[in-house]
Amino acid sequence: GQQVMQIPQYQHVQEGEDFTTYCNSSTTLSNIQWYKQRPGGHPVFLIQLVKSGEVKKQKRLTFQFGEAKKNSSLHITATQTTDVGTYFCAGPPLGVTSGSRLTFGEGTQLTVNP
Amino acid sequence: DAGITQSPRYKITETGRQVTLMCHQTWSHSYMFWYRQDLGHGLRLIYYSAAADITDKGEVPDGYVVSRSKTENFPLTLESATRSQTSVYFCASSGREWDTQYFGPGTRLTVL
Repeated sequence: GQQVMQIPQYQHVQEGEDFTTYCNSSTTLSNIQWYKQRPGGHPVFLIQLVKSGEVKKQKRLTFQFGEAKKNSSLHITATQTTDVGTYFCAGPPLGVTSGSRLTFGEGTQLTVNP
Repeated sequence: DAGITQSPRYKITETGRQVTLMCHQTWSHSYMFWYRQDLGHGLRLIYYSAAADITDKGEVPDGYVVSRSKTENFPLTLESATRSQTSVYFCASSGREWDTQYFGPGTRLTVL
């Protein structure tokens, strides 16, 4: 079955440093979605990318979808303590016509030292 | 504007007891999902539903039962709770297939 892997599993940074997490799927994806989960909270949708090679920005966050639609990245510029949390990628496999499942990666847990 | 709610938020039960976790959404979303998240891990799909009276198994359905008689409700029942079912359970809903999922606040379940 489809597998979605994220690296790194954990990342500790000093406030102000940049951060990147990578997401790799074993199958081509229809779209890629990113979610953030604060400690003790629930996953919250950040963004969805659909097109091959797509890049989207949200303030200090930059999201990319790979040309082959099998990988994605999230880059945070100049991290802040408010960025603390676990970042998940998720996506449905391309061409599947039923099921509506999203396969979630294991997540990257980001901690930021002030 | 309640969105999606779960109850109870915290539950402690004993091995062998039946437990039902409730999920309610106010958006009339067609799709609803149940995930479990074990400490330090990702989300694993238990069951999902595409519409009222339509449900299907996810990755880890054993020991769980769901029903969906109304679009807005999607209860999850642990028929005979085991310690391995100690986890945080998240309900989610989505308006369209493959689309953004909106998660409830979660139920933290402890099975002693």
